[in-house]
Amino acid sequence: DAMVIQNPRYQVTQFGKPVTLSCSQTLNHNVMYWYQQKSSQAPKLLFHYYDKDFNNEADTPDNFQSRRPNTSFCFLDIRSPGLGDAAMYLCATSRDRTGADTQYFGPGTRLTVL
Amino acid sequence: GQNIDQPTEMTATEGAIVQINCTYQTSGFNGLFWYQQHAGEAPTFLSYNVLDGLEEKGRFSSFLSRSKGYSYLLLKELQMKDSASYLCAVRDGDYKLSFGAGTTVTVRA
Repeated sequence: DAMVIQNPRYQVTQFGKPVTLSCSQTLNHNVMYWYQQKSSQAPKLLFHYYDKDFNNEADTPDNFQSRRPNTSFCFLDIRSPGLGDAAMYLCATSRDRTGADTQYFGPGTRLTVL
Repeated sequence: GQNIDQPTEMTATEGAIVQINCTYQTSGFNGLFWYQQHAGEAPTFLSYNVLDGLEEKGRFSSFLSRSKGYSYLLLKELQMKDSASYLCAVRDGDYKLSFGAGTTVTVRA
């Protein structure tokens, strides 16, 4: 089945040690998003790619970076994870960015920072 | 910024009906989505409303009133597997979804 895949599902890192989370999609969607979701909170958009065009949210810390080497893959890099970065990280895709375009989410990567 | 409010928790009995309300204040409006999220899992799409009125999909229905900034998700014939968090999300521009914090629904036997 066409889907959004995230690896790993669980990631443990140490304070300050860089970590990369991976997302891939078989939907051939133009847009890929990264969200951060902390316990019992709403998903918070970090940034998105519209094709190769990177769009950062104004309040996303510089500690978070992203790469999209091709249509199928998108990476989230956390350069120096802090304890406050422990969260579920959700990747989502959509065909386009117009009103009716639904975002489809991957299963998420739960990040623990020791 | 956007303001999206929904109740934190609701409890209902198996077989019953539950209505989850969502109110929003946004600078623009291009549709409202409902997602279901089981604990520790990703949100899954349930419904989309952009025009006023009721959209029905099996046991789930969603209603929108744009003039009131109000939506609800109606869950009928509740099943134990419906225990989850339900997220209301508003698209305010071309692409950005702003999510509510979610309503945790607990279904009891």
